[in-house]
Amino acid sequence: AQSVAQPEDQVNVAEGNPLTVKCTYSVSGNPYLFWYVQYPNRGLQFLLKYITGDNLVKGSYGFEAEFNKSQTSFHLKKPSALVSDSALYFCAVRDKNQAGTALIFGKGTTLSVSS
Amino acid sequence: DAGVIQSPRHEVTEMGQEVTLRCKPISGHDYLFWYRQTMMRGLELLIYFNNNVPIDDSGMPEDRFSAKMPNASFSTLKIQPSEPRDSAVYFCASSLALAGGPHEQYFGPGTRLTVT
Repeated sequence: AQSVAQPEDQVNVAEGNPLTVKCTYSVSGNPYLFWYVQYPNRGLQFLLKYITGDNLVKGSYGFEAEFNKSQTSFHLKKPSALVSDSALYFCAVRDKNQAGTALIFGKGTTLSVSS
Repeated sequence: DAGVIQSPRHEVTEMGQEVTLRCKPISGHDYLFWYRQTMMRGLELLIYFNNNVPIDDSGMPEDRFSAKMPNASFSTLKIQPSEPRDSAVYFCASSLALAGGPHEQYFGPGTRLTVT
């Protein structure tokens, strides 16, 4: 069975500091991994994905994520947080070997960046 | 492309009424998903289609909910009769296929449903 966990409901950081939003996953095969962001009263917006290759993936708005197979993690990072990064962040996973299955989304982590 | 289009953006209805939500996916996408989001339950997958065929409807809460995809460019989610507990934001999303399954999904702006 596929699953994804976001262990923190909320992450608080000061503007200019680095941020990390954590995600761990469980699949029987190899994963496709995704990060999405949701701003208030908006739909989810795709940020970045890991499919294969380089473990460090760069995405929109200066975000990046590192795939760690041994720790089954895909943490979202940004070197310097902006107040405008405050939003709800979702991690999602799909098992490459499970044809036809939908993405499994985590419960979301609220990121709050203070000025 | 205009992205995923949903209508209406807001719907207020009385308990017992029929509600129909509409979605136009991104042209060329193979998959279409319907989600529901509430504060209490978070983001829930209701049903998804591949090439207009329903693949998994196990997330549909009960028989009052039904979804159709008559062609590649249109889908509906219907609630009949509606109840106050159906109040939520309903999202439609679409994606291309990769390795036999859906790839990254693109979400519409959502329909905020309020049932009084």
